[in-house]
Amino acid sequence: EIVLTQSPATLSLSPGERATLSCRASQRVSSYLAWYQQKPGQAPRLLIYDASNRATGIPARFSGSGSGTDFTLTISSLESEDFAVYYCQQRFNWPCSFGQGTNLEIK
Amino acid sequence: EVQLLESGGGLVQPGGSLRLSCAASGFNFGAYAMSWVRQAPGKGLEWVSTISGDGSITYYADSVKGRFTLSRDNSKLYLQMNSLRAEDTAVYYCAKTGGNAAPYYFDYWGQGTLVTVSS
Repeated sequence: EIVLTQSPATLSLSPGERATLSCRASQRVSSYLAWYQQKPGQAPRLLIYDASNRATGIPARFSGSGSGTDFTLTISSLESEDFAVYYCQQRFNWPCSFGQGTNLEIK
Repeated sequence: EVQLLESGGGLVQPGGSLRLSCAASGFNFGAYAMSWVRQAPGKGLEWVSTISGDGSITYYADSVKGRFTLSRDNSKLYLQMNSLRAEDTAVYYCAKTGGNAAPYYFDYWGQGTLVTVSS
């Protein structure tokens, strides 16, 4: 099973700042990595699929990059609604797996 | 508009059974694989099971293999859960899959249904 490790576990930033979240895979997953956002009491929402493609309706301040084992989710300028937990997920092989999450909190 | 509405969650004793349902609308249901993803209280996301668009292929996490059965019919998805354990306690999300080949990512999610396994 491919293990995804996200860092940092918690990221404290202020609105307007740039956020950089990392996801590292235990083996190569090509570009088959997705990012999700989850707010308290809500279902996850797909942000990025296949490493760098924004999902429908996702603002341009969200971008994804990387391939192989190292991936990054960047939020260019944080807005108040962006503070949430973020998960990465690989779909390179079964079982598909999620990272443990990064909690993006207001500083 | 894609909508996924789960039902069937509740409190069940260890060793018991429960069947979850997910009613789908707003897309061509038969054209997409569908999945269940769960989240234990205060924990991260765990993929549970996926079924192909025509229902002929199913995939299961090792943690549920042999105990859970995923099926689909018309615009509904079902998860039959047997021999439930305390560690199955979680919110169960129904998710539509995206991507042109398995495994998939999950582009739409329901609001979830809580399953609690406790005596």
